Amino acid sequence: DVVMTQSPLSLPVTLGQPASISCRSSQSLVYHDGNTFLMWFQQRPGQSPRRLIYKVSNRDSGVPDRFSGSGSGTDFTLKISRVEAEDVGVYYCMQGTYWPRTFGQGTKLEIK
Amino acid sequence: QAQLVQSGDEVKKPGASVKVSCKASGYTFSSHGISWVRQAPGQGLEWMGWISVYNGNTNYAQKFQGRVTVTTHTPTNTAYMELRSLRSDDTAIYYCARDRGDSGYDTERDWFDPWGQGTLVTVSS
Repeated sequence: DVVMTQSPLSLPVTLGQPASISCRSSQSLVYHDGNTFLMWFQQRPGQSPRRLIYKVSNRDSGVPDRFSGSGSGTDFTLKISRVEAEDVGVYYCMQGTYWPRTFGQGTKLEIK
Repeated sequence: QAQLVQSGDEVKKPGASVKVSCKASGYTFSSHGISWVRQAPGQGLEWMGWISVYNGNTNYAQKFQGRVTVTTHTPTNTAYMELRSLRSDDTAIYYCARDRGDSGYDTERDWFDPWGQGTLVTVSS
């Protein structure tokens, strides 16, 4: 199975400051058609996960543009340009290139 | 808009089985697939299995092979996940999520969006 490793696991951030979460996969997530099926999810307390980003860098509709995804191969990053109070929660990366789908451990973002 | 609504919370005894349903609306159910993901209390997300509604293909995490079955009933746009031989460490919230269908009418944009609201399954004697 592809192992997804996130860092940090805990991320205290001051309101208005940037935040960055790293996600590394144990093997390249490039599919044979050239696509890379790496997604990012946000899970607010008490809620279902919500997808933020698909295929590395495509932001979902309704997701604020302060969220951005980047990376390639085995190294990926989710960035929040200016953290707001509503961003508190746990963030997960997930690969959809291989079976089984696998998630990172999650990164808990909190406000300092 | 696409929506998934799951069945209510369940309490089961060790050794029993549970069957959770996931009813889809707002999109063409038969063109897509459904994945099932669980989350134990205070823990992360764990993918369990997938079914293509389009062609019936399935894929399961090795951990659950032989103990989980995912099915669909297309006339009611409903997917099901049955987990057997329940143990206390199966206590978790179980989620369904739209996923790939391999129909040619779905795209990566549809994968893991939306999710159901979750079903809490508690296993306790």
